[in-house]
Amino acid sequence: DQQVKQNSPSLSVQEGRISILNCDYTNSMFDYFLWYKKYPAEGPTFLISISSIKDKNEDGRFTVFLNKSAKHLSLHIVPSQPGDSAVYFCAASARVSGGYQKVTFGIGTKLQVIP
Amino acid sequence: DTAVSQTPKYLVTQMGNDKSIKCEQNLGHDTMYWYKQDSKKFLKIMFSYNNKELIINETVPNRFSPKSPDKAHLNLHINSLELGDSAVYFCASSQFRLAGFANTGELFFGEGSRLTVL
Repeated sequence: DQQVKQNSPSLSVQEGRISILNCDYTNSMFDYFLWYKKYPAEGPTFLISISSIKDKNEDGRFTVFLNKSAKHLSLHIVPSQPGDSAVYFCAASARVSGGYQKVTFGIGTKLQVIP
Repeated sequence: DTAVSQTPKYLVTQMGNDKSIKCEQNLGHDTMYWYKQDSKKFLKIMFSYNNKELIINETVPNRFSPKSPDKAHLNLHINSLELGDSAVYFCASSQFRLAGFANTGELFFGEGSRLTVL
């Protein structure tokens, strides 16, 4: 049961243009949504997050949008740079007993930014 | 000065063997995790420990036994290895925040340990 879905396995974008990565989820109990970036042979690194009570969070070139009614979020990168080429994982966290958070990941979207 | 370090990075072994992967974090976090990334690239949680106490235990075969000697270490021991255990195993850590602060789920990952079972 895939609760976090990234339907685009890959995306190619020209340098300087906008990259839009999409993510859908099914579990209404998720209270935070996160994006992680992963380079080959490295672990995922946290990029940006958004609370379920917000609809937008911005950090430099990275903006995450949340549409709760559609259970959809997206990550916008503008302008895209060659160093942004990586696999981007969408993730969502939900509270479990004891107040801890369980983080569920999507399958990832490979972004290639072409110089 | 690596924040979350895993050893070994690569492990090739025969079916039926027993192997361990070690993880250590120097971030001062109190919560640690094991995730498995299989051949289809799904990153799935296996276990989570907070201050040496098991808090998340997904449907994982009994052949997998995590051990947390202290809050900075979480090791993974696998008995009777099977072909399907071949994957990249990621250790991660986070700091649990008490009531009044948000626990967003931000995790700090190690570089991964690639296990190949022949």
